[in-house]
Amino acid sequence: RKEVEQDPGPFNVPEGATVAFNCTYSNSASQSFFWYRQDCRKEPKLLMSVYSSGNEDGRFTAQLNRASQYISLLIRDSKLSDSATYLCVVKGSSNTGKLIFGQGTTLQVKP
Amino acid sequence: GAGVSQSPSNKVTEKGKDVELRCDPISGHTALYWYRQSLGQGLEFLIYFQGNSAPDKSGLPSDRFSAERTGGSVSTLTIQRTQQEDSAVYLCASSLEGTFGYTFGSGTRLTVV
Repeated sequence: RKEVEQDPGPFNVPEGATVAFNCTYSNSASQSFFWYRQDCRKEPKLLMSVYSSGNEDGRFTAQLNRASQYISLLIRDSKLSDSATYLCVVKGSSNTGKLIFGQGTTLQVKP
Repeated sequence: GAGVSQSPSNKVTEKGKDVELRCDPISGHTALYWYRQSLGQGLEFLIYFQGNSAPDKSGLPSDRFSAERTGGSVSTLTIQRTQQEDSAVYLCASSLEGTFGYTFGSGTRLTVV
């Protein structure tokens, strides 16, 4: 079983739609959680951290459920520019700062 | 520099040759990481540096892979006797120790023919 699992998609949605991605992780001792965004043939960039209380950044909302070991990302009012691959990322229990990346979920927003 | 710089951006090599990939992290970032990403796959951790030492090299796939870091700055990832399965994008990231604000370079796309 992979340490971080995501539905690869693709998710094809119209502009203005609300879309949600889920991710599960296997290590219950994981400490920190993130969503990264990766555009085609580009490097990943940090989108947002994920906190237990849930957090919001504009149109983006992230949630963490430790009991079920899953993380979610909600995007409201989708824009064409949101088209990208969204990577669920988990920091393990070690102290090296090593991040474990999911395979990514591809989002395509269409006009 | 302002960002993480990697070179070369693209490298095509023949099977069996050795290659060196270079990473120049953000100035002042003590932690440096190497990942690789194969086509359609997620990022695979290779090695982590804190200063010039590598406390976690658990992701190196074989003894053909090695990395070093000098002066707490530039790092070189070396792949000896390259194989076709080594073809991937090799990404370097750096961060301030104790934070998780990874900044990635744009990567080196390695193709072994």
